[in-house]
Amino acid sequence: AQSVAQPEDQVNVAEGNPLTVKCTYSVSGNPYLFWYVQYPNRGLQFLLKYITGDNLVKGSYGFEAEFNKSQTSFHLKKPSALVSDSALYFCAVRERAGNMLTFGGGTRLMVKP
Amino acid sequence: GAVVSQHPSWVICKSGTSVKIECRSLDFQATTMFWYRQFPKQSLMLMATSNEGSKATYEQGVEKDKFLINHASLTLSTLTVTSAHPEDSSFYICSAREGGQLPVYEQYFGPGTRLTVT
Repeated sequence: AQSVAQPEDQVNVAEGNPLTVKCTYSVSGNPYLFWYVQYPNRGLQFLLKYITGDNLVKGSYGFEAEFNKSQTSFHLKKPSALVSDSALYFCAVRERAGNMLTFGGGTRLMVKP
Repeated sequence: GAVVSQHPSWVICKSGTSVKIECRSLDFQATTMFWYRQFPKQSLMLMATSNEGSKATYEQGVEKDKFLINHASLTLSTLTVTSAHPEDSSFYICSAREGGQLPVYEQYFGPGTRLTVT
């Protein structure tokens, strides 16, 4: 069975500082990996995905994520946080041969001015 | 990009009544649609997966007779919460994936529907 762990319920960072939101996964074979962001009372917005190729994936709004197969991690990063980045972030995994997207528990990012 | 809409965005209903939530793919044909439920400050839990023209596949613990899912066309799926109770109050999010050449990994999410049962 596939699973995703986001070890931090909340990450606090000052505006302008780099941010990292952690994600580790467990899946059979090679995964498809995704990051989504959710603002209050809204659905999920796609940020980026890893399918194959370069381990460093660049996505929307200046976010990027690094796929690390040996550590089964897919941490989300941004060089300089904005207050408007404050939201709930979800990591998700899907087996290549599978149909189901499994989400992590979510990490609330708080960027303070 | 691909857009998924949901209607209504929020609904309040009385206990014992039924509520229908619509999910539409606006600019693509969704061969597969997913319904998720999200409790406050929690992650998304998959309720069911439906393929157009077929019966939905429900996840363990989800009552089929309570959460009726219909995926009658390639652009519309509906979730009907029957005989709603306060514990059904939640945020319901649909997601759609288009058909076509495999592998297909893009999954697009609707904005969600907030259901409150009084």
